[in-house]
Amino acid sequence: DAGVIQSPRHEVTEMGQEVTLRCKPISGHDYLFWYRQTMMRGLELLIYFNNNVPIDDSGMPEDRFSAKMPNASFSTLKIQPSEPRDSAVYFCASSPTVPARGYTFGSGTRLTVV
Amino acid sequence: GEDVEQSLFLSVREGDSSVINCTYTDSSSTYLYWYKQEPGAGLQLLTYIFSNMDMKQDQRLTVLLNKKDKHLSLRIADTQTGDSAIYFCAESGGHSSASKIIFGSGTRLSIRP
Repeated sequence: DAGVIQSPRHEVTEMGQEVTLRCKPISGHDYLFWYRQTMMRGLELLIYFNNNVPIDDSGMPEDRFSAKMPNASFSTLKIQPSEPRDSAVYFCASSPTVPARGYTFGSGTRLTVV
Repeated sequence: GEDVEQSLFLSVREGDSSVINCTYTDSSSTYLYWYKQEPGAGLQLLTYIFSNMDMKQDQRLTVLLNKKDKHLSLRIADTQTGDSAIYFCAESGGHSSASKIIFGSGTRLSIRP
């Protein structure tokens, strides 16, 4: 089991550019979550999917953020256009069921927008 | 809305016990968790406790739950340098959604010789 795989590990981009973060959940997990971590705001849930369907996107900060899950093994989080305040570590996590035993997190993507 | 609070820092001497405390507001929380985050890594689930339990022990880790006071603690016995990390308290199964885990801000545990 390779765990939750995120790419890239680090991303540096210029303000105004489009950024796409990628996630491969653990095979067989029905739930996928995107979190953002910053020093100021801690861990924030952005959106989560169940069986590839977005269930709750109330944490998505603005229309500049969008997330998709075209199939059970892949999800993307896109920021367009990116801004310096989007700089953070973005985590993807997956869970086999309603998270009775907690999520499995990926290693995160550190995004820096300059 | 739901809230999970914990102190930001804790410093302990190597070999002593560490106790990290957490309070939460949602009395309908079903599961409570402790996660560990090492530098540059994602969050790793350490342990979890169901809300009808008041204690769970797993090797050096002891979790205590006081549901009446909505207080959760994590005790690490014989703290080692490898225990240096940020520890997150979290809850799920509350009013907002059974699927969402709400995290505290994390407690940074540092170990002094």
